[in-house]
Amino acid sequence: DVKVTQSSRYLVKRTGEKVFLECVQDMDHENMFWYRQDPGLGLRLIYFSYDVKMKEKGDIPEGYSVSREKKERFSLILESASTNQTSMYLCASSPLRPYNEQFFGPGTRLTVL
Amino acid sequence: DQQVKQNSPSLSVQEGRISILNCDYTNSMFDYFLWYKKYPAEGPTFLISISSIKDKNEDGRFTVFLNKSAKHLSLHIVPSQPGDSAVYFCAASETIRRALNFGKGTSLLVTP
Repeated sequence: DVKVTQSSRYLVKRTGEKVFLECVQDMDHENMFWYRQDPGLGLRLIYFSYDVKMKEKGDIPEGYSVSREKKERFSLILESASTNQTSMYLCASSPLRPYNEQFFGPGTRLTVL
Repeated sequence: DQQVKQNSPSLSVQEGRISILNCDYTNSMFDYFLWYKKYPAEGPTFLISISSIKDKNEDGRFTVFLNKSAKHLSLHIVPSQPGDSAVYFCAASETIRRALNFGKGTSLLVTP
């Protein structure tokens, strides 16, 4: 059974802290994605990776970075958390083909105080 | 710039009736379209998809229709069940870019 796991379901951090969100998939998928979901804005792509050590900016990369050292793991990093990064963060993965049928993790609700 | 638009934030339907969720897109390069369903506190789950070479795809109670000339697709759920109550996201992709473009979602409520 396909599985994407995220390190935390809920996280509370303070402004200025460095935050790591971890995502692991067990499907040997090539592609991995980070989205954020906000009310009235839907899902917006932050970054994605199509191979180890490869990354590409999504629609809203500002304030974020990513790391993919191993195929199964994709990390989202908030270098200095700000209150406007309070959101639901969703990780997804997909195979090389069909690349567009993505499998999502349960999400991490991040609150930045 | 929102390339995938779901103009109805919410929809309420009685159990047993048809639910029709609509989606419009602006990018003519999109060649694959998907619908995802999301329950609160869970990640979205893939529901059904359609390639741009087709105009209809059916899977059980769910049917997706694609009208390329109008840049419009719709998801039909027949018959609707209370368990279908969720947020539905329309998404689209183009071959050269692996990422999906999502709409803002439509919250469907199916009442008994």
